[in-house]
Formats: sequence, C-alpha cells, structure tokens
Amino acid sequence: AQSVTQLGSHVSVSEGALVLLRCNYSSSVPPYLFWYVQYPNQGLQLLLKYTSAATLVKGINDFEAEFKKSETSFHLTKPSAHMSDAAEYFCAVSDFGGGSNYKLTFGKGTLLTVNP
Amino acid sequence: ETGVTQSPTHLIKTRGQQVTLRCSSQSGHNTVSWYQQALGQGPQFIFQYYREEENGRGNFPPRFSGLQFPNYSSELNVNALELDDSALYLCASSLGGTVATGRQYFGPGTRLTVT
Repeated sequence: AQSVTQLGSHVSVSEGALVLLRCNYSSSVPPYLFWYVQYPNQGLQLLLKYTSAATLVKGINDFEAEFKKSETSFHLTKPSAHMSDAAEYFCAVSDFGGGSNYKLTFGKGTLLTVNP
Repeated sequence: ETGVTQSPTHLIKTRGQQVTLRCSSQSGHNTVSWYQQALGQGPQFIFQYYREEENGRGNFPPRFSGLQFPNYSSELNVNALELDDSALYLCASSLGGTVATGRQYFGPGTRLTVT
C-alpha cells in the first residue's frame, strides 16, 4: 500500500520568507503525487500534481514542488510567504488498487502559520 | 468555487442512529468520491462511484454505503453510528478520466458529531 508522511504538523514563517513543507512517500510503483490546501471551513483545493512528466511542478499562487525519486520526496515550496497562505496543506499519493481511478491517500497535513 | 455543494453543513447525531449526507456535483461529473477527515488527520478514502456504481472502496465497514444518482447528486449513508464516526465528510467529483488526466473538485464538507 502507498503512504505519505508529512514532516512537521505545524510550520511557522514570517511574511516574505521561504515556505518549505515536506512530504515523503512510499510506493512500489511510480506514483502520482499531489498537494492540496484547505482553508478553514472549506474543502480541499488542488495546488499542483506530479504525473511523471517534468519533475519540477509549478502550481497556483507561486507554489512549486520537486519530485525526487532517489529521496522519495515531493516537498512544496514558495519563495515568499503571504498572509493569505495561512492554511492546512496536505500531500497525497494516488493508489491504483481497487479499480478506483481517483483514490488518494493523504498525509496528516501541515498547518502553515504566516506571521506579519 | 468548485461547483460542489454538500448538505447539511453541520449535523449532530446520537450513537446508534443512522445519517444521510448529500453531495451535489457539477453537471457532467460522473465520478464521485467520499472521504472521512477526522480531527487533526488527513482525509481517508471511503469509496468512489462511477456512473452510479461503486467502483472502489477503502477500509470502511459495510455500514458505510452510498448512492449516486443520474442528476449528478450522491449520498453517503452511515448506519449504527459510533463515536469514532465524528468527522468532516468530504465529497469530491470529477469529469471522468483518471487521477493523472483529470481533476477532483472537493466540496466544503459536512461536519458530523456523534454523541
């Protein structure tokens, strides 16, 4: 079974600082990987996804992530944090089992706090 | 706005009762998935429906069941509620394809509290 580990349940940065949220995956096959953001009282919004094309994936709101097979990592970065980035972020991996095309396995999430 | 709505927003039930949660997808979205998100955890896959048939299930007991209707709405039913069923329930719809080629749109969720 595939799994995802998000290192750090809470990350705090200053406005304008680099954002780095860590995600490591476990998979026996080349995975598809995702980052989602969840604002309070809202559903999940897709930031970006890796589907075995370019290893550096650019998403919305200047977020990007790099797939590193040797490190089994898919860390999310943003050069300069904005107050509006404060939210919970989830890394997810696709699961090809069970005949489901859209089954995702999520990490436990990282809460990002941005300080003024 | 994802075009996916869920009702009710909040719900309180007593242990042993039954509950039905509803999701309305965008027109044409023939695939819907349901997830359970316990407090402080990531979402966990419950099951997926494609063209009104279940075609994938996570590690949830049979008392979790669902329906998908031709009008792109769907239901999640939970029988014999347990305290551990307290969670945010998310539905996500997609317009065919696969996880690589398509995209899931998540609703805002229904917060279920079981007392």
